[in-house]
Amino acid sequence: QVQLVQSGAEVKKPGASVKVSCKASGYTFSKFDIHWVRQAPGQGLEWMGWMNPKGGDTLYAQKFQDRVSMTTNTSISTAYMELSSLRADDTAVYFCARGRKAAGIRFDPWGQGTLVVVSS
Amino acid sequence: DIQMTQSPSSLSASVGDRVTITCRASQDISTYLVWYQQKPGKVPNLLIYTASTLQSGVPSRFAGSGSGTDFTLTISSLQPEDVATYYCQGYNSGSYTFGQGTRLEIK
Repeated sequence: QVQLVQSGAEVKKPGASVKVSCKASGYTFSKFDIHWVRQAPGQGLEWMGWMNPKGGDTLYAQKFQDRVSMTTNTSISTAYMELSSLRADDTAVYFCARGRKAAGIRFDPWGQGTLVVVSS
Repeated sequence: DIQMTQSPSSLSASVGDRVTITCRASQDISTYLVWYQQKPGKVPNLLIYTASTLQSGVPSRFAGSGSGTDFTLTISSLQPEDVATYYCQGYNSGSYTFGQGTRLEIK
């Protein structure tokens, strides 16, 4: 079955960087975009950006443009999201999701989420 | 970027009730509108896309409608397992934006 499995929880200090991985299985990795979404504790969903594994194209939400980098390693069907200059308000669960376009835009499935805690 | 505004922010209804959640886009997004359900402590789950297409496996009591700027999610007969937060998501010019969510509880 189609599945996205993310890396484990991280604890980082303010100013550091974090890199979260998202390994895909059950489909051809290069054929679908990977999106990243985060959710702060008790808050809603916030879209961060997407990457196309085949061509390497990226589009980041304006809020994160200066601090985020999304990459992929197609040989191991894995996407990465790196967020730098971490602040306390970056504490959140970070999700990857497969982006689908045929017959309508949607995110499906989602990874299980990776908790990133930023604390001194 | 587009803004997506959901209402209400929370609601409480009885089992069997008809429930409606609305989502308004700050500009015309045609039918580029998706609904997700997120149960407490769980990953968001796709319910409806292109405003009204039911995802495979989603119960038929869920329905979506609308186009342009105004959209609705309707649960025809509320069930206990529908307790969750519901999010709309709009797409426009490469940007994907979520509404703030609607928390649904059983009365």
